[in-house]
Amino acid sequence: DVKVTQSSRYLVKRTGEKVFLECVQDMDHENMFWYRQDPGLGLRLIYFSYDVKMKEKGDIPEGYSVSREKKERFSLILESASTNQTSMYLCATIRLSGHTEAFFGQGTRLTVV
Amino acid sequence: AQKITQTQPGMFVQEKEAVTLDCTYDTSDPSYGLFWYKQPSSGEMIFLIYQGSYDQQNATEGRYSLNFQKARKSANLVISASQLGDSAMYFCAMREGGTGGFKTIFGAGTRLFVKA
Repeated sequence: DVKVTQSSRYLVKRTGEKVFLECVQDMDHENMFWYRQDPGLGLRLIYFSYDVKMKEKGDIPEGYSVSREKKERFSLILESASTNQTSMYLCATIRLSGHTEAFFGQGTRLTVV
Repeated sequence: AQKITQTQPGMFVQEKEAVTLDCTYDTSDPSYGLFWYKQPSSGEMIFLIYQGSYDQQNATEGRYSLNFQKARKSANLVISASQLGDSAMYFCAMREGGTGGFKTIFGAGTRLFVKA
């Protein structure tokens, strides 16, 4: 069974803190994604990566950075957390061979106070 | 820039009836794929159906079918014989192909309410 695991289900951080959200997949997929989900806005793409050390900006990269040092791990970094980054964060991978499908982690609910 | 539009923030349907959820997209990439996902109140993302831009036939998966109209750039989801358990958020998504990765974006979603 395929698995995408996010390190935390809930996080509370203070304004200005550096925050790391970790995502690990066990499917050997090249493409990994970070989204944030807010009511009425759907899922918005922050960053994605198509290979180790390769990254591309999504639609809302400001205030975020990412790291992909190993194929199975994709980290989202909030350099200096702000209250407007309070959101649900979802990590995903995509399988492109055979039956195309995207797989999601369980999500991290981040609250910045 | 690629874009996904779901114009229906909410939809109601009577149990056992069919319902169509709208999705339009915009891309200049000739190779792309379209997904539909269901998100119940538990928050998990459940894959429903996928359509590739070069697929000749509309995709079907059980009670779900994708009405793919390439010229109109629409990829509507049709749910037949609605069930109470179909009440959820539904997201349309598109991925583009390319050497620089497969950027995948989502629409704002449609909340479906199934009435008994």
